[in-house]
Amino acid sequence: KQEVTQIPAALSVPEGENLVLNCSFTDSAIYNLQWFRQDPGKGLTSLLLIQSSQREQTSGRLNASLDKSSGRSTLYIAASQPGDSATYLCAVPRANSKLTFGKGITLSVRP
Amino acid sequence: DTEVTQTPKHLVMGMTNKKSLKCEQHMGHRAMYWYKQKAKKPPELMFVYSYEKLSINESVPSRFSPECPNSSLLNLHLHALQPEDSALYLCASRDLFSRTDEAFFGQGTRLTVV
Repeated sequence: KQEVTQIPAALSVPEGENLVLNCSFTDSAIYNLQWFRQDPGKGLTSLLLIQSSQREQTSGRLNASLDKSSGRSTLYIAASQPGDSATYLCAVPRANSKLTFGKGITLSVRP
Repeated sequence: DTEVTQTPKHLVMGMTNKKSLKCEQHMGHRAMYWYKQKAKKPPELMFVYSYEKLSINESVPSRFSPECPNSSLLNLHLHALQPEDSALYLCASRDLFSRTDEAFFGQGTRLTVV
């Protein structure tokens, strides 16, 4: 059974700091991993999807990496801004078309 | 267009009411999902439709009744709900046979049962 873990549950940083959000998974037989952002009371916005054949994916100030052998993915946010404050979730698809989510990391960027 | 549209955005209903949530996507995705999300928790899968057929029901109470009228539309019919059913209901779609298999979510319907 695939389990996805995101630690810590919450993170507070000053504006301008570079930061790394972690996601770990127990079953390395994945074919992709997706990172989402969720603002309070809103839906999930897809940030980045990394396929198993890739090691990194970049979009603007965001960079996601995937290491299947160690069961880890990281989301790197450069030069954080107060507008980056949100909950970040990672998700791994399963063969039966389900998505397994981590519990999310709530990020607060202080001005 | 990578948009999943959900209506209504907010819904307040009594325990004896019947209401429906609607979800629409025009990306040609053949898998559509309903999720329930409580505050500070990750989304919890309720139903999966694949090629307009119900493929997964995560033991959801019968007061929730999904329907997929066509490949672009997904409905969730609600009847005799309980206050504990108050939550954010999210719809998602995926193209299971694409190279990327990316999931897209709607903005959700905030449901309050009174």
